[in-house]
Amino acid sequence: AQRVTQPEKLLSVFKGAPVELKCNYSYSGSPELFWYVQYSRQRLQLLLRHISRESIKGFTADLNKGETSFHLKKPFAQEEDSAMYYCALSGPSGGSYIPTFGRGTSLIVHP
Amino acid sequence: SAVISQKPSRDICQRGTSLTIQCQVDSQVTMMFWYRQQPGQSLTLIATANQGSEATYESGFVIDKFPISRPNLTFSTLTVSNMSPEDSSIYLCSVESLGTSGGSSSTDTQYFGPGTRLTVL
Repeated sequence: AQRVTQPEKLLSVFKGAPVELKCNYSYSGSPELFWYVQYSRQRLQLLLRHISRESIKGFTADLNKGETSFHLKKPFAQEEDSAMYYCALSGPSGGSYIPTFGRGTSLIVHP
Repeated sequence: SAVISQKPSRDICQRGTSLTIQCQVDSQVTMMFWYRQQPGQSLTLIATANQGSEATYESGFVIDKFPISRPNLTFSTLTVSNMSPEDSSIYLCSVESLGTSGGSSSTDTQYFGPGTRLTVL
């Protein structure tokens, strides 16, 4: 069974501080990992994906297979980063790749 | 990318009634998904709606409670039947945008509608 754990419901930091949103997963295989973001009053949208190895809005995430983690990081948080962040895992199940989501972490960046 | 709209955006309903949520996509998609996000919980997949076939429900969800229609490749509805306060949640429609493989693979991206906030009194 695939599972995604986001241990922190809420993460509160000050502007300019580094931020790390934790995500651990459980999956017997090689999954694809994603981070989704939902800003206030907006729809859920893809932030970044493991396979792309890209940096979006200053955020990066590295897949650590040894620790089964996919933590989201940003060296200097901005107020506009305040949002709900969801980690998701996608692995083959019955021929499809329907993702499993963590419960989300609310990031609040104070001025 | 795909642009998704949902109606209604929110509703307050009485116990025992039913509500149908509509999801419209601006392009043809094979797979459409319905999720639920209860307060403090993660996104939970209710069912997968494929055009031309019966929806596939996840464990804990049944067709009698959450009937789904998928009349064409751009539209789907989810009905929450015989509602109770426990059904108060945000319901999200999502579609899968095919990756370069052209088929279901892990490179595909999911796009989400704005959600429908349902409150059952």
